[in-house]
Amino acid sequence: AQSVAQPEDQVNVAEGNPLTVKCTYSVSGNPYLFWYVQYPNRGLQFLLKYITGDNLVKGSYGFEAEFNKSQTSFHLKKPSALVSDSALYFCAVRRGYSTLTFGKGTMLLVSP
Amino acid sequence: SAVISQKPSRDICQRGTSLTIQCQVDSQVTMMFWYRQQPGQSLTLIATANQGSEATYESGFVIDKFPISRPNLTFSTLTVSNMSPEDSSIYLCSVEDTSGGGDTQYFGPGTRLTVL
Repeated sequence: AQSVAQPEDQVNVAEGNPLTVKCTYSVSGNPYLFWYVQYPNRGLQFLLKYITGDNLVKGSYGFEAEFNKSQTSFHLKKPSALVSDSALYFCAVRRGYSTLTFGKGTMLLVSP
Repeated sequence: SAVISQKPSRDICQRGTSLTIQCQVDSQVTMMFWYRQQPGQSLTLIATANQGSEATYESGFVIDKFPISRPNLTFSTLTVSNMSPEDSSIYLCSVEDTSGGGDTQYFGPGTRLTVL
């Protein structure tokens, strides 16, 4: 079985400060890891993914994530947060051609 | 990435009725998925729909309640049958893009369903 944990229901950060949204996973074999963002009353938008290769992956809107195999983590980061980054963020995992499993989501609130 | 549209974007329905949600993609895709997002919750996969075959349902979801059609490579429908207030959710379709490796799923804008 595969699972994703997002330990924080909400993350608060001031605009201009760095942000981190945490994600840990459990899967047998090599994971495919994804981050999605959901703005109010919108569908999910793909941000970035890790499949193989460089542990640091860069995605849309200045976001990046670091794959850490020993800690089974895939935390989402951004050097300087914007108020417009405020949204619900989902981490997801799959192994090979298995179905995608989502975490419960983390609400990011960026204050001006 | 594929552009995905859904109809309706939202609806308010009465208990005991059925609603059919349409998902249209601007390119041909092999695999389409239907998800449910209950209020304040994460996404739960309802079923996988491949063209030319019966949909594959996840545990807890049955065809009689959520019949799915997949008549071609760009279109699918999900019907929520005999609705109850517990069916109030956002329903999202997604497609799998296999280009570039990693099989990324892209999502439609969702259909927000309220059952009274």
